[in-house]
Amino acid sequence: ETGVTQSPTHLIKTRGQQVTLRCSSQSGHNTVSWYQQALGQGPQFIFQYYREEENGRGNFPPRFSGLQFPNYSSELNVNALELDDSALYLCASSSDGQGIAFFGQGTRLTVV
Amino acid sequence: EDQVTQSPEALRLQEGESSSLNCSYTVSGLRGLFWYRQDPGKGPEFLFTLYSAGEEKEKERLKATLTKKESFLHITAPKPEDSATYLCASQGVAGTASKLTFGTGTRLQVTL
Repeated sequence: ETGVTQSPTHLIKTRGQQVTLRCSSQSGHNTVSWYQQALGQGPQFIFQYYREEENGRGNFPPRFSGLQFPNYSSELNVNALELDDSALYLCASSSDGQGIAFFGQGTRLTVV
Repeated sequence: EDQVTQSPEALRLQEGESSSLNCSYTVSGLRGLFWYRQDPGKGPEFLFTLYSAGEEKEKERLKATLTKKESFLHITAPKPEDSATYLCASQGVAGTASKLTFGTGTRLQVTL
């Protein structure tokens, strides 16, 4: 059984650019959630995808968007990057959105 | 709005010196209270889920307890390898999604 994997592990982007982060969910899980963790803070909920549909969103602007694919893997897209978008982006998968959320190792995004 | 507060922010213990970490939560319709361990630069690692007041769970030197307003993570005779940030999260709802609201964590350092 494979765990949650994210790619890339590190990324440096310039302000105003766009970025795509990827996540493969744990085997048997159909729900993926994305979180943003700034340095020294707890993770903050961005949104959740269940069976390819976004079914809940936190307080993040529309320039944060996502996709979930038929194999339940997911992408997080961020447009018009800002310096404050620098953070560790975490993907978590669960079964039917109700169970224990297992996290990947994260993608460290630095915006310069 | 769901809220989770953890204390202390940082804790330094000597090996074998037991202590407790506190998590206070305010959430409408609590579905579960989660504890995670996070090592620097890594994703959170699941430790425990508690669902109802009075529930307790144990794993090695760790024991988690839950009341209607708080959860405690008791660490008995800690070892240096227990050094990490411990995150508490309440599971609530966002739309039809199940989301985690995290505290800012307690950074634990265990010295010889």
